[in-house]
Amino acid sequence: AQKITQTQPGMFVQEKEAVTLDCTYDTSDPSYGLFWYKQPSSGEMIFLIYQGSYDQQNATEGRYSLNFQKARKSANLVISASQLGDSAMYFCAMRGISSNTGKLIFGQGTTLQVKP
Amino acid sequence: KAGVTQTPRYLIKTRGQQVTLSCSPISGHRSVSWYQQTPGQGLQFLFEYFSETQRNKGNFPGRFSGRQFSNSRSEMNVSTLELGDSALYLCASSLDPTFSTDTQYFGPGTRLTVL
Repeated sequence: AQKITQTQPGMFVQEKEAVTLDCTYDTSDPSYGLFWYKQPSSGEMIFLIYQGSYDQQNATEGRYSLNFQKARKSANLVISASQLGDSAMYFCAMRGISSNTGKLIFGQGTTLQVKP
Repeated sequence: KAGVTQTPRYLIKTRGQQVTLSCSPISGHRSVSWYQQTPGQGLQFLFEYFSETQRNKGNFPGRFSGRQFSNSRSEMNVSTLELGDSALYLCASSLDPTFSTDTQYFGPGTRLTVL
């Protein structure tokens, strides 16, 4: 079975500072993808970043980077230079690639609040 | 390129009624997945369609059903609504899950309230 765990229900960060959102996962699939999504209060899920299990380097997308530690089964999201617009709910998700399914398993999410 | 669209955005129904939600994927995307989001259960997978075939189904009762049309548009139906069906229903589309980097892009969701 696949499982995603996000242990931080809520976090605060000062504007312009960096913040790390934790995510650990468990899967028996030898090949998988890890995703982070942002959900503002409007409800839409916005794709942020992707990391494949066989990728040698950590993924980066602008101010977002993924700290992938395969042996520890963790895929933490790092947001650099936080902005007020980063205040939202953040979800870590996983997809088993070997099964050729698009099904995503989500964590419970972390609410991030950026303070001015 | 237009994103994923969902209609309606908001819906209010009463117990026992049925409801149909619609999702139009990003042009060229052949896979559509549906998720239910509630405060208590979080995000749960409902079903996935690819080229008009249901490929995967989550752990939901038979009252929840869906289909996909030849143009990749998808609908989901919930019959005999219960209070617990009140949720945000999210649709996501992707190109092809057989690609290792395949990524799902979500629509704005349909917020269903059952009274």
